[in-house]
Amino acid sequence: GENVEQHPSTLSVQEGDSAVIKCTYSDSASNYFPWYKQELGKRPQLIIDIRSNVGEKKDQRIAVTLNKTAKHFSLHITETQPEDSAVYFCAASRGGTSYGKLTFGQGTILTVHP
Amino acid sequence: EAEVAQSPRYKITEKSQAVAFWCDPISGHATLYWYRQILGQGPELLVQFQDESVVDDSQLPKDRFSAERLKGVDSTLKIQPAELGDSAMYLCASSSAEDLNEKLFFGSGTQLSVL
Repeated sequence: GENVEQHPSTLSVQEGDSAVIKCTYSDSASNYFPWYKQELGKRPQLIIDIRSNVGEKKDQRIAVTLNKTAKHFSLHITETQPEDSAVYFCAASRGGTSYGKLTFGQGTILTVHP
Repeated sequence: EAEVAQSPRYKITEKSQAVAFWCDPISGHATLYWYRQILGQGPELLVQFQDESVVDDSQLPKDRFSAERLKGVDSTLKIQPAELGDSAMYLCASSSAEDLNEKLFFGSGTQLSVL
């Protein structure tokens, strides 16, 4: 089955700095890669996703890049703010009718210091 | 915006007791998922339904866990008997297989504590 590795496990940055979280996956058939943000005790919230026919996608301060050859994808957050502090999870699936059958990474605790 | 509804929000039970969680997916969504999230880890898929049929329950501990979606709408996940290691957040999500650009959204979850 799919295995998703996520690094780093914790990330501490100053407000205004950029943050980068990286994930690798093992299943070459995976082609859907969402990122979720989760605050303590709350549901994971989808913040951005990318499908394998796209190499990069941006939404305001958030961007995701995908390298299918190397089987890795990354989340980039620019101009970080204290409210960006949360746990971030990457995930992968084969997409199509099974895009919701996600394998998650272990999570990255992001702390943004004012 | 439509949401996946789950109840109860919190559940405290004693070891060896039975417990059940309920999920009402977004209207019209044929695919329903139950995930379990242990504190400090990412969610793990337990079971996937397509309408009323189980598509994948390979990660469901079938000796104590059961899931049903009798009319292909809402779903119930049951644990009997509960064990200490079952303490976790149980998340439900739904999706529409007809829209390949759809996103997967989670319900608020049921936080289970087994004492």
